[in-house]
Amino acid sequence: KAGVTQTPRYLIKTRGQQVTLSCSPISGHRSVSWYQQTPGQGLQFLFEYFSETQRNKGNFPGRFSGRQFSNSRSEMNVSTLELGDSALYLCASRGQFSGANVLTFGAGSRLTVL
Amino acid sequence: QKEVEQNSGPLSVPEGAIASLNCTYSDRGSQSFFWYRQYSGKSPELIMSIYSNGDKEDGRFTAQLNKASQYVSLLIRDSQPSDSATYLCAGYSSASKIIFGSGTRLSIRP
Repeated sequence: KAGVTQTPRYLIKTRGQQVTLSCSPISGHRSVSWYQQTPGQGLQFLFEYFSETQRNKGNFPGRFSGRQFSNSRSEMNVSTLELGDSALYLCASRGQFSGANVLTFGAGSRLTVL
Repeated sequence: QKEVEQNSGPLSVPEGAIASLNCTYSDRGSQSFFWYRQYSGKSPELIMSIYSNGDKEDGRFTAQLNKASQYVSLLIRDSQPSDSATYLCAGYSSASKIIFGSGTRLSIRP
C-alpha cells in the first residue's frame, strides 16, 4: 500500500498570505487528521475529517480550516498567515492495526512564514 | 494541565542499557495509548499501541499501561545508538481525538 502523501513538502510564504496544503491518505482509509508541530508546542491537533465531514477540531483560530473530498484526499488552508504559523504540518491517515485505531503520518509540509 | 504529559529530556542512556520513558494522561476516559518515534527531520512512526492494563512486549520494546495511575511507559532494552530519537506518547481521548505529549528526547551514548 502506498503511504500518506503530503504536498508540497516545503513552502515559504509572507505574512498575510494564505496557504493550502494537500494530503492523500493510505488507500482505503477514510479518516485524515492534521497536526501542527513546532519546537515549543510539540504536536498539536488541528482537526480530523472522516467521510468528508469534520469529526473533531482542536483549539486553533478560524484562520485554520480544512476539507475532505469524496476520494478521502484532504486539504487544509491557513489564511492571513502569521509568523507563528511557521511549523511542520503533518497529515495522518487513521486505520486499524492490531485492534487499535492507529495514525500513520505523511512526511509533512514545512511552512516558513517571513 | 496538558492532556498528555512527558518529560522533555534529554534522557541519556549508555548503549546496551534499558531506557525508560514515561507519560501521564489526564483524561480517565482515554482507552488506547501509543508510542511513536520521531527521528530529527522525519515524521513520527508508530512503535507500539497498548489498551489493556499491564505489559505488552514487541522485540526490545515493552509498553506498560496503568489506568488506575493514568500512567504509560515504554522500556527499550539493549539500547542502540539508532534508538536516539524523540519518543512521543499519545492517547486516544474520550473525545475521540488522538492527543500527543510534547515528546522525550532520548540519546544513547556509545
